[in-house]
Amino acid sequence: EVHLLESGGGLVQPGGSLRLSCAASGFTFSNSVMNWVRQAPGKGLVWVSTIGRHGDTYYTDSVKGRFTISRDDSKNTLYLQMNTLRAEDTAIYYCAKDLPGDIFASDYWGQGILVTVSS
Amino acid sequence: DIVMTQTPLSSPVTLGQPASISCRSNQSLVHSDGNTYLSWLQQRPGQPPRLLIYKISNRISGVPDRFSGSGAGTDFTLKISRVEAEDVGVYYCMQTARYSRSFGQGTKVEIK
Repeated sequence: EVHLLESGGGLVQPGGSLRLSCAASGFTFSNSVMNWVRQAPGKGLVWVSTIGRHGDTYYTDSVKGRFTISRDDSKNTLYLQMNTLRAEDTAIYYCAKDLPGDIFASDYWGQGILVTVSS
Repeated sequence: DIVMTQTPLSSPVTLGQPASISCRSNQSLVHSDGNTYLSWLQQRPGQPPRLLIYKISNRISGVPDRFSGSGAGTDFTLKISRVEAEDVGVYYCMQTARYSRSFGQGTKVEIK
């Protein structure tokens, strides 16, 4: 059974940093495209970042230069390093895996982890 | 940037009646490989999103056949043939056409 478990969220001051982790199990992590998607309280889904099987990375404009997505295939873990955090980064952050075969749609999602940026 | 626009934003539906959600993009979603990576997700209250349909019209295993997707180019539609109580939630379209992804604003389906 596929399982994605996010951790590392919490309260951080503006300008601060956090590193989110997503522990994956139940599928071949190294063969999977992985994503971070966020959802501000009461708002819609926003794509944040994607990392390909070979480590190629993509970001939404609002986080470029501040966030870094990475993966450790030996640990089946996805990461999101978030620096210079802003109030508008406050959201639930979801880790999601894509369907196999470069289908570019996320078939499994974690339960999400809350990040609150506030002084 | 590719902007996805969903209509309506809210859809009150009587149980057993159909529902339809439109999703339009501001540019063609046909990928350089010839595929169109348009998917539909459902988010029930308090839950993470759930993938329903990928590549316009392909249903994920376990998704009821009352859900169907159609469209091409820039115009896409999700239809629920007969709405059931468990279908209440917010529905999102999502595109992956270039080296980025974007979601529609979401359409809230509720029972009248």
